[in-house]
Amino acid sequence: DSGVTQTPKHLITATGQRVTLRCSPRSGDLSVYWYQQSLDQGLQFLIQYYNGEERAKGNILERFSAQQFPDLHSELNLSSLELGDSALYFCASSNRDEQFFGPGTRLTVL
Amino acid sequence: SQQGEEDPQALSIQEGENATMNCSYKTSINNLQWYRQNSGRGLVHLILIRSNEREKHSGRLRVTLDTSKKSSSLLITASRAADTASYFCATDELGNQGGKLIFGQGTELSVKP
Repeated sequence: DSGVTQTPKHLITATGQRVTLRCSPRSGDLSVYWYQQSLDQGLQFLIQYYNGEERAKGNILERFSAQQFPDLHSELNLSSLELGDSALYFCASSNRDEQFFGPGTRLTVL
Repeated sequence: SQQGEEDPQALSIQEGENATMNCSYKTSINNLQWYRQNSGRGLVHLILIRSNEREKHSGRLRVTLDTSKKSSSLLITASRAADTASYFCATDELGNQGGKLIFGQGTELSVKP
């Protein structure tokens, strides 16, 4: 158990819908990262927050947004969902260099 | 974009044998990390090696780093069936703000009892 929690574990929704994925980092970790894992793209970095502020951005679509709250938990919002958004979404947290990953949220868009 | 390329893509060995996986990357790095993933589950951090280190050990794991060749290898000694998983290398690029990781495509290891 990495200490990073993600909810929900599974999410099934329809195209055009909006969903919110939630992540709670390890106690004391200020950085939260979001990654997407799909069969065709592999593991891709989406976005990073550090102590509430956006720190780095990767290949994150404009339909996607994230935020980190004062208690350091983070949410990833995915809107206008498309079939191609079906993937595993991971959150990771870190205090130094090592990143510790949560169990992921499997999103299926029908 | 993928930074690392891993080789082989798949590896099948018998229990007790050693498994070696290689990772090549494109740009200068701060550190390189190896992760294990069991069948679509979360990634487990295995080991981190910094750019000024050449070799690191952790239990049955040995990682080497050659920054001149931009490559790293992960050796698992005396493998067990429980080592069956996908293994990914991930790099923290030099000059990277924030420590985001760039992952390779992974090596799928199968250890047969």
